[in-house]
Amino acid sequence: EPEVTQTPSHQVTQMGQEVILRCVPISNHLYFYWYRQILGQKVEFLVSFYNNEISEKSEIFDDQFSVERPDGSNFTLKIRSTKLEDSAMYFCASSVSETQYFGPGTRLLVL
Amino acid sequence: GNSVTQMEGPVTLSEEAFLTINCTYTATGYPSLFWYVQYPGEGLQLLLKATKADDKGSNKGFEATYRKETTSFHLEKGSVQVSDSAVYFCALLGRGADGLTFGKGTHLIIQP
Repeated sequence: EPEVTQTPSHQVTQMGQEVILRCVPISNHLYFYWYRQILGQKVEFLVSFYNNEISEKSEIFDDQFSVERPDGSNFTLKIRSTKLEDSAMYFCASSVSETQYFGPGTRLLVL
Repeated sequence: GNSVTQMEGPVTLSEEAFLTINCTYTATGYPSLFWYVQYPGEGLQLLLKATKADDKGSNKGFEATYRKETTSFHLEKGSVQVSDSAVYFCALLGRGADGLTFGKGTHLIIQP
């Protein structure tokens, strides 16, 4: 069964550094999403992406964040100048309709 | 705005017990409703969904009915197994929205 994959599974970075989280959505899906889950808190929507542009973003998704689909398979989330509070699990998801399929997540730790 | 409230755990049950995890929501219009499950060390997996009032979603022995009058989508299973131990998330997708709104998750522990 096709699934969403994410790399790396864990990432440790220093405050102020840039990180890129990578996702490979399910191949025939058209909509892509990023969510995050800070430890002990809810899963929160960050951004959706369709037809090579951002479709919707939450208030969390500020200028520090950007998304890109650099080729036909990858979907990336870039976090510039990371802060301690960016430490979280980041989930990628994709869909062809309203049902979203999630990847296993990348655990980001900012020191 | 949209919100989802679900009972917080951990919920600890014995094998073969009846399970109910409560979920209520607030949304404008008529959202679609979902239950996702997260097994230890894994990502979120769709368990079941319902897209309109009185729909019943079901999968792997789990069921949930979309109740518009009580704005609820409670998850039930008649006889749980140790392998059902996981974190369960209730979520909604508002009309015209892209992003899911999640509840906090309920950690379920099934003891043999």
